[in-house]
Amino acid sequence: DAKTTQPPSMDCAEGRAANLPCNHSTISGNEYVYWYRQIHSQGPQYIIHGLKNNETNEMASLIITEDRKSSTLILPHATLRDTAVYYCIVRVGSGYSTLTFGKGTMLLVSP
Amino acid sequence: EAEVAQSPRYKITEKSQAVAFWCDPISGHATLYWYRQILGQGPELLVQFQDESVVDDSQLPKDRFSAERLKGVDSTLKIQPAELGDSAMYLCASSANRGPDTQYFGPGTRLTVL
Repeated sequence: DAKTTQPPSMDCAEGRAANLPCNHSTISGNEYVYWYRQIHSQGPQYIIHGLKNNETNEMASLIITEDRKSSTLILPHATLRDTAVYYCIVRVGSGYSTLTFGKGTMLLVSP
Repeated sequence: EAEVAQSPRYKITEKSQAVAFWCDPISGHATLYWYRQILGQGPELLVQFQDESVVDDSQLPKDRFSAERLKGVDSTLKIQPAELGDSAMYLCASSANRGPDTQYFGPGTRLTVL
């Protein structure tokens, strides 16, 4: 699976949009981009995933660049409960593919 | 909403003792995963089951760790003997199928080895 690069930490004010970047310049054509988050002392929680097109669900939006070498997770109106470590993971879309976690981005949402 | 269940939530043991963790995946999920997460790091896959069969245990320290999923439903991860370096969070996850299916994680078991 391709490697990802994320900033170690980011800050965001409550109510503002949080934009979390991820670089995956060696991504292959059959690899998906997944985002998970982990609130302190809890198990990781699935957020969203995509292959080529931008995706949106009730939690977030995923913007993937046209060359697929980077992506941005957007939390449109961050709340204090969004404070967590956010993991960007690239994963093959077939076979016994699993998740390879890096260190992620620690997002701190402040009042 | 269906969840992955794990027990115990916390376990303190002395080195050289045996410990066991239990996981009950979401009903109907064929694939089950055990991860280990050391403080400050992301989770690392230990073993992956498809039904009752192991499909990936390449990162499982087999001299002291064992995992089973006898009936293809719930699973047990065992460490014998525990070492100080085994202190970590042990996470279980499940997905409906193999491949790019979403993995759903349980709350984890926090192990402290003294």
